[in-house]
Amino acid sequence: EDKVVQSPLSLVVHEGDTVTLNCSYEVTNFRSLLWYKQEKKAPTFLFMLTSSGIEKKSGRLSSILDKKELFSILNITATQTGDSAVYLCAVESSGNSGGSNYKLTFGKGTLLTVNP
Amino acid sequence: KAGVTQTPRYLIKTRGQQVTLSCSPISGHRSVSWYQQTPGQGLQFLFEYFSETQRNKGNFPGRFSGRQFSNSRSEMNVSTLELGDSALYLCASSLYVGGYTFGSGTRLTVV
Repeated sequence: EDKVVQSPLSLVVHEGDTVTLNCSYEVTNFRSLLWYKQEKKAPTFLFMLTSSGIEKKSGRLSSILDKKELFSILNITATQTGDSAVYLCAVESSGNSGGSNYKLTFGKGTLLTVNP
Repeated sequence: KAGVTQTPRYLIKTRGQQVTLSCSPISGHRSVSWYQQTPGQGLQFLFEYFSETQRNKGNFPGRFSGRQFSNSRSEMNVSTLELGDSALYLCASSLYVGGYTFGSGTRLTVV
């Protein structure tokens, strides 16, 4: 069974701190790893990672994937109160090698609270 | 361009009833997938449709079903509702591998 584990489950920091969120996975027929931010309802897309060792950056957020060790990290520097949210890691896989029946397996998420 | 639209936003049903939720994907997106989100289990995959065909299904009982129409709009149906079906139901549309855009969800409460 496909599994995605995120840590920590919750984190409280002060504005300006740097945080690192972790995601490890065990899936069959890996295709990509995605990070989402969920504040109220709709998860909003942050990054999609398919290749090991290539860092993706967007402003203060960055992420990297290690396909050998089966994990990814999401870094947020100079945190702001607006970064408070649940951060979700999801792994996209197909039902069989080369197949087209895709699905996302999500971790439980990391609840980040940034205090002023 | 319009995002993924889910209706209704909120729903209250009684145990034993059935419910139908709707999802309109982003124009041009042919893949629609459905997820159930609960505090205990997180987001869990229900099923995925592409061009009116179910391509993949998660580990949910047969009471959960879905379909997709020729215009890519999708519906999911839950029959014989149980209290444990109370959840946020999210759908996501995709044009290509990895490009999933989520709707705001339907909050279902079963009483």
